Amino acid sequence: GAVVSQHPSRVICKSGTSVKIECRSLDFQATTMFWYRQFPKQSLMLMATSNEGSKATYEQGVEKDKFLINHASLTLSTLTVTSAHPEDSSFYICSARERGGGNQPQHFGDGTRLSIL
Amino acid sequence: DAKTTQPTSMDCAEGRAANLPCNHSTISGNEYVYWYRQIHSQGPQYIIHGLKNNETNEMASLIITEDRKSSTLILPHATLRDTAVYYCIVRVANNAGNMLTFGGGTRLMVKP
Repeated sequence: GAVVSQHPSRVICKSGTSVKIECRSLDFQATTMFWYRQFPKQSLMLMATSNEGSKATYEQGVEKDKFLINHASLTLSTLTVTSAHPEDSSFYICSARERGGGNQPQHFGDGTRLSIL
Repeated sequence: DAKTTQPTSMDCAEGRAANLPCNHSTISGNEYVYWYRQIHSQGPQYIIHGLKNNETNEMASLIITEDRKSSTLILPHATLRDTAVYYCIVRVANNAGNMLTFGGGTRLMVKP
């Protein structure tokens, strides 16, 4: 089945550091990928929709200058958390769906747990 | 996308069938029902989806009522590894840009 790989799985870093998270679709092409954030004991919240070759679409309340998204190819999207602070500590998850639309399910990466000290 | 309602939590004995209900009374004719689950500290895992017919795969069965206002996910023989949060999501399947919107889900606890 379709596999989405996310890297790194865990990051611990100092406040003010910028952190890049990669999301790859391993065996399919994805024109659109999605980035979610999940705080403890809460559900997943969509942050942004990443579109290959164009600007990402951000959800209300998500700062686009803080969460930089680049979708340079049909198999790779990156999320960079710039100048991260402790309140940015969370579980970040990406997902992708195969090209062609229709009712194909989205597939999710295993998430990146970000801890800012 | 239509809103879904699920019980907050459920228990199930190991080896027994787990039946997880979902209410989606405002579902539209072109919206599919998707089920995902999330095991602790992992990304969501796709389970099954359907439009109006019942569906079955190697993981589960999906029973959708005739009026499509509710559905039930059935894990025929629950194991301890099925302990997870199960999300029922309805979504229009017309293009690749439609994201999934997650509600609170049902926390299923499978007990020995």
